Amino acid sequence: LAKTTQPISMDSYEGQEVNITCSHNNIATNDYITWYQQFPSQGPRFIIQGYKTKVTNEVASLFIPADRKSSTLSLPRVSLSDTAVYYCLVGAPNTGTASKLTFGTGTRLQVTL
Amino acid sequence: EPEVTQTPSHQVTQMGQEVILRCVPISNHLYFYWYRQILGQKVEFLVSFYNNEISEKSEIFDDQFSVERPDGSNFTLKIRSTKLEDSAMYFCASSVSGGTSYEQYFGPGTRLTVT
Repeated sequence: LAKTTQPISMDSYEGQEVNITCSHNNIATNDYITWYQQFPSQGPRFIIQGYKTKVTNEVASLFIPADRKSSTLSLPRVSLSDTAVYYCLVGAPNTGTASKLTFGTGTRLQVTL
Repeated sequence: EPEVTQTPSHQVTQMGQEVILRCVPISNHLYFYWYRQILGQKVEFLVSFYNNEISEKSEIFDDQFSVERPDGSNFTLKIRSTKLEDSAMYFCASSVSGGTSYEQYFGPGTRLTVT
């Protein structure tokens, strides 16, 4: 599994766009980049996954440069309810069998008024 | 929206006792997982389960732990002879398939307190 590095914490005001960058210099050819969100005392929640370029869904966008050595999770117009820990995971899911998730310490995002 | 459910939400037990944590995965999912999170620490993988057998287990998942899918809906984690250090949030998760997706659906967790 590729080692990931992301900021320990970030602060934002409500309504701003938040970009959380994750470094993964040793990403392998078959690896995907996946982001999860975890609220206090709750289970992690899948946000988005991508392999290259840009992926967008109703919650976030994921930007992956051509070299894939980093990625940026973009949360548009955050609200207080986006206060959570965000995890960047890099790995190659196993085809045809279960794929364990390996979580790091994540980025603690604090949104205030 | 379908969701993973877990019971109980909080379990208090004495050291040395056995506990069973229960999970009902999403009905059409084929892959099942247990993770745990000690307070203030990372989410740690314990075990994955597919086709009625363990696919992978971590070093944490020693002989003290076992998993079972006793019927078509429940997925259980048994911890024999609990220790103080077993106190943690235990999360069950499920996924539709392995494939190229890391999308797993997590339950709300069971908080286990060993005294």
